[in-house]
Amino acid sequence: GNSVTQMEGPVTLSEEAFLTINCTYTATGYPSLFWYVQYPGEGLQLLLKATKADDKGSNKGFEATYRKETTSFHLEKGSVQVSDSAVYFCALSDRSTGGFKTIFGAGTRLFVKA
Amino acid sequence: KAGVTQTPRYLIKTRGQQVTLSCSPISGHRSVSWYQQTPGQGLQFLFEYFSETQRNKGNFPGRFSGRQFSNSRSEMNVSTLELGDSALYLCASSLNRPGAQETQYFGPGTRLLVL
Repeated sequence: GNSVTQMEGPVTLSEEAFLTINCTYTATGYPSLFWYVQYPGEGLQLLLKATKADDKGSNKGFEATYRKETTSFHLEKGSVQVSDSAVYFCALSDRSTGGFKTIFGAGTRLFVKA
Repeated sequence: KAGVTQTPRYLIKTRGQQVTLSCSPISGHRSVSWYQQTPGQGLQFLFEYFSETQRNKGNFPGRFSGRQFSNSRSEMNVSTLELGDSALYLCASSLNRPGAQETQYFGPGTRLLVL
């Protein structure tokens, strides 16, 4: 079945450091790919998405490129801030079992130190 | 547009009781899904409703059930609560255009604690 694998955390960075969170997927067909972010005590917020190969999703300085050849969707940010501390989930859309659902990776916790 | 809303935000129940959680999707969204989030299992899909019909179901026991109303609002019910049901329950909605890959938008969740 379809699945998402992302790097384990936690990831600890200093403010203004470069961020990469790796994500790879297994899927039949052509799913859309997403990054969601969860701040403490809150639900999931859509951070960015890409719907086809070579698309780049971007938002709030974060970006990720849909790489079909490597089945990857790595999240990057050039300069992180303390306010970026959160849990980040890579995900894909799935219609393989009928209906529709989102399949999530395990999440990567990011800590940014001032 | 208002986002996905969920009520209540917090609940404390005891083992054996039952609970009903409510979700109102984004206006115009016809698909509503439910997910359970726990530290050990992560985010797990419970079920999806579209036009008042359950269209997709995850691997959860029959104690977990749901329904959707004609206005797309949804409820999920958990009967005979167990300690392991303590979790954050997230509702998500999407437009559901036929054949299209969709984006799900999530509510803030209901945090359930079973004692």
